[in-house]
Amino acid sequence: GAVVSQHPSRVICKSGTSVKIECRSLDFQATTMFWYRQFPKQSLMLMATSNEGSKATYEQGVEKDKFLINHASLTLSTLTVTSAHPEDSSFYICSAGGLAGAYNEQFFGPGTRLTVL
Amino acid sequence: GQQLNQSPQSMFIQEGEDVSMNCTSSSIFNTWLWYKQDPGEGPVLLIALYKAGELTSNGRLTAQFGITRKDSFLNISASIPSDVGIYFCAGQQIAGGKLIFGQGTELSVKP
Repeated sequence: GAVVSQHPSRVICKSGTSVKIECRSLDFQATTMFWYRQFPKQSLMLMATSNEGSKATYEQGVEKDKFLINHASLTLSTLTVTSAHPEDSSFYICSAGGLAGAYNEQFFGPGTRLTVL
Repeated sequence: GQQLNQSPQSMFIQEGEDVSMNCTSSSIFNTWLWYKQDPGEGPVLLIALYKAGELTSNGRLTAQFGITRKDSFLNISASIPSDVGIYFCAGQQIAGGKLIFGQGTELSVKP
């Protein structure tokens, strides 16, 4: 299967600071990347869908000014959590998919554990 | 929003036993996917299903895409300790589009 990486794997920050998480597709070009948030013992909740070169589409209830998404190339998408607060502490996972002419599966990154103090 | 109803929520079985879990929806999906997630990691794709009625195997795993396109099941035969984890179903309505996830089935295997 396709390989997706995330960096960093863990981050601890102080309340009020901003944190950037990178998602890279290592061996394929992903036309679409997705960002999810997962709280303990819960399922994955889609936050936004991003297509290379265009603005991200956010799910209802997700603040676009707080969770900034940039998809500048076919192999890199970034999620910036601005002015992070303790309630933003969660497991953030990206996935890549929508491969033109290929399959519809989404391949997930290993996740980033964000802890806001 | 849309939801997939996945059951059971958790299972405690003996090594060697077979396992079955399923997902149902009130909406039609064109693709069904099954993932496994280990603690602190991202989900790993197990099986992808594209056609109603399709039955697909991957080693000891077998999954089927329901005829109505509103359900899917995953079977694991002869479970082993490394099968422990959380299994998620996911449905996709548009090719390459977003996934709707089930609530997950937490599997525990006693050696």
